[in-house]
Amino acid sequence: QVQLVETGGGVVQPGRSLRLSCAASGFTFSSYGIHWVRRAPGKGLEWVAVVSHDGSNGYYAGSVNGRFTISRDNSKNTVYLQLNSLRAEDTAVYYCAKAGGSYYGEATNWGQGTQVTVSS
Amino acid sequence: EIVLTQSPDFQSVTPKEKVTITCRASQSIGSSLHWYQQKPDQSPKLLIKYASQSISGVPSRFSGSGSGTDFTLTINSLEAEDAAAYYCHQSSNLPETFGQGTKLEIK
Repeated sequence: QVQLVETGGGVVQPGRSLRLSCAASGFTFSSYGIHWVRRAPGKGLEWVAVVSHDGSNGYYAGSVNGRFTISRDNSKNTVYLQLNSLRAEDTAVYYCAKAGGSYYGEATNWGQGTQVTVSS
Repeated sequence: EIVLTQSPDFQSVTPKEKVTITCRASQSIGSSLHWYQQKPDQSPKLLIKYASQSISGVPSRFSGSGSGTDFTLTINSLEAEDAAAYYCHQSSNLPETFGQGTKLEIK
């Protein structure tokens, strides 16, 4: 069955960096886009980024554009989200999700999430 | 950026009641609108894709309709286990966006 497992979260000071990983299994990984979505405390879901099936294209929310970078390694069935210049408002649970298509689309399956806390 | 506005933000309902949640897009998105359910301490779950397409394993009491800018999620004969937050999501235009969410409380 489809499984996505996020790792790499933690507590980090403002301005520092963190790299999240999303390990996938149970489907043809190289055929599907992968989303990152976050949920801040007391808030709703916020779409963060998506990477195309082959890693050639990445798209970002305005709130993270220029600070976050999404990438993937199809040989390892893993997607990465590099978080730079972190701010307090980036504190959230970060989920990766399999897209319905090769570039974007509905988020068909979700991981359990990894907590990122930005605090001094 | 396309803004999705859900209504209501919160609703308290009784079991077996019919519930309607709406999602309005700031511009036309065709049918590229999806619905999710998120229960406390759980990951979101896809309920409906492309406005009205059902998802395997999702109870038939969940249905979706609409196109263009106005969309509806309907829950027929609400059950206690449906207490959750519900979100719409558009994948028509980048950046993709979510609605602010609707919290359903079961009386």
